[in-house]
Amino acid sequence: EDKVVQSPLSLVVHEGDTVTLNCSYEVTNFRSLLWYKQEKKAPTFLFMLTSSGIEKKSGRLSSILDKKELFSILNITATQTGDSAIYLCAVGDYGGATNKLIFGTGTLLAVQP
Amino acid sequence: NAGVTQTPKFRVLKTGQSMTLLCAQDMNHEYMYWYRQDPGMGLRLIHYSVGEGTTAKGEVPDGYNVSRLKKQNFLLGLESAAPSQTSVYFCASSDPNRNEQFFGPGTRLTVL
Repeated sequence: EDKVVQSPLSLVVHEGDTVTLNCSYEVTNFRSLLWYKQEKKAPTFLFMLTSSGIEKKSGRLSSILDKKELFSILNITATQTGDSAIYLCAVGDYGGATNKLIFGTGTLLAVQP
Repeated sequence: NAGVTQTPKFRVLKTGQSMTLLCAQDMNHEYMYWYRQDPGMGLRLIHYSVGEGTTAKGEVPDGYNVSRLKKQNFLLGLESAAPSQTSVYFCASSDPNRNEQFFGPGTRLTVL
């Protein structure tokens, strides 16, 4: 059975800290790995990774994929209170031409002032 | 360009009542999806559609039906609501050539 596992489930840090969120997966027809940020409403897209070892970066956020070890990490440096959210990892399934995503349960990040 | 919109935003039902959730997208996406999100369970796929007039079951389809009569709309129906269907429902859409899905703002449904 395909699955995506995120760790930790929740995390509390102080502003300025650096955090690393983990995502491991077992998916038969891997196509891509995506990270989303979810505040109070809809998940919003952060990154999509398809190749191992190539870092994607956006401001203080960065992510990298290891297709051999089947995991990805999302790093956030110099955290701010606005980074508080649920971070979702999802793996895109290539099978059946449906673009289905398999989601992990998310990591709840709380950044305290 | 509104992206993906959902109506209603909130709804309270009694057990046994029926309702329809509407999702609309203006990005001309072929694929659309309905998810439910529950604490500790992440997003789980209910039904999806790869084009107008086509639908398919996802991971948790029981108790739900869907229709895609127009490309831009995807409807999710609950024929006889149960308390286990209390959840936040998200609609999403995507282009066939990309895995990235765009999400609507969600509908919070409570079934008493």
